[in-house]
Amino acid sequence: EVQLVESGGGLVKPGGSLRLSCAASGFTFSSYSMNWVRQAPGKGLEWVSSITSTSTYIYYADSVKGRFTISRDNAKNSLFLQMNSLRAEDTAVYYCAREDIVVVEAATPRGEGFDYWGQGTLVTVSS
Amino acid sequence: DIQMTQSPSSLSASVGDRVTITCRASQTINSYLNWYQQKPGKAPKLLIYTASTLQSGVPSRFSGSGSGTDFTLTISSLQPEDFASYYCQQSYSTPRTFGQGTRVEIK
Repeated sequence: EVQLVESGGGLVKPGGSLRLSCAASGFTFSSYSMNWVRQAPGKGLEWVSSITSTSTYIYYADSVKGRFTISRDNAKNSLFLQMNSLRAEDTAVYYCAREDIVVVEAATPRGEGFDYWGQGTLVTVSS
Repeated sequence: DIQMTQSPSSLSASVGDRVTITCRASQTINSYLNWYQQKPGKAPKLLIYTASTLQSGVPSRFSGSGSGTDFTLTISSLQPEDFASYYCQQSYSTPRTFGQGTRVEIK
């Protein structure tokens, strides 16, 4: 059974840091691209960052670029999101999600959707 | 960045109704369009990927169509468990943008 379990969320002051983790099991982690998606209270889904299976391609939303860093450890079946310089607008539930990449065209991975998601971890940025 | 525009933002429907939600991309995304269902307090669930392929385990009353820039999610006969929010998302390029969501409520 595929499982994704996030951890590391919590309450942090503006300007602070947090490191989120996502533990994967039930599939060959090293074969899949992974993503972080967040959802602010009462709002829609916002893609945050993605990393391909061997970390060849890494992308960030403009809203987090320069502050967040995605990484993975394929030997430990784990995905991470280092979040620095946190702002009130980063308050959200953060989900990790798996994506199967169909093809890479023009150095751009094309995917088949996020087929498995974790339960989410809440990050609250407040003084 | 590719912008995804869903309509309507909300709708009221009755059990048994046929429901259609549309999604428009700001530029062509071929068929790299996915649909998700989300219930309150839960993670999103993939319903349809690459515009029209039903994810394993998803009831056949859900269907998707379209290519290029215009896409549709159809629920042929709305069931009580289908009252939720629905999101489209493109997986043609990054950022992997989502539509703003459609909330399906009980009439």
